[in-house]
Amino acid sequence: DADVTQTPRNRITKTGKRIMLECSQTKGHDRMYWYRQDPGLGLRLIYYSFDVKDINKGEISDGYSVSRQAQAKFSLSLESAIPNQTALYFCATSGAGGTDEQYFGPGTRLTVT
Amino acid sequence: LAKTTQPISMDSYEGQEVNITCSHNNIATNDYITWYQQFPSQGPRFIIQGYKTKVTNEVASLFIPADRKSSTLSLPRVSLSDTAVYYCLVGARGSGTYKYIFGTGTRLKVLA
Repeated sequence: DADVTQTPRNRITKTGKRIMLECSQTKGHDRMYWYRQDPGLGLRLIYYSFDVKDINKGEISDGYSVSRQAQAKFSLSLESAIPNQTALYFCATSGAGGTDEQYFGPGTRLTVT
Repeated sequence: LAKTTQPISMDSYEGQEVNITCSHNNIATNDYITWYQQFPSQGPRFIIQGYKTKVTNEVASLFIPADRKSSTLSLPRVSLSDTAVYYCLVGARGSGTYKYIFGTGTRLKVLA
């Protein structure tokens, strides 16, 4: 089984709709992250969480919110989706020390029409 | 926050050694250098990390000069399956402040 899972894998939604992307990890890590990637571009950090009670904004948090329901679960919500939020979304997790290697999920391809 | 600069793209042929250089002129004392690989429509995957001199694993080598203002990822004898985007990141391990930033990376294309 994959260490980091994301649901849904693909989603098409309409402008103005609320949508939630979910992420679960079995690595036992405290740290979790949400990124978005636009075609031909690198990853940009949306939000990150270092433990269940810790939530931090990343580079591009406007229009997004998150919820850390448990150590293993970190959800990303688009309160009112807009077309320029069409992108590939990745969840990742890492340990608090060592190499801080981030383990990424398979991604969610979101299209807002 | 250490900014990194990498070539946008590179082409190579199968069997050749590929070297991708990353510049990070304002690297901090506590910063490590980390490289990730990303295949299309997949999340990035950790390749290698180092602080100074040379690090080697089963996938790649990482060369870091004494001044640490740059680093070079070396992929020995690449194959078509090494076609991917490679990201260089600089940040402090285990810190309370997230510092890793993925830039646009280097798009490596391996040709037959």
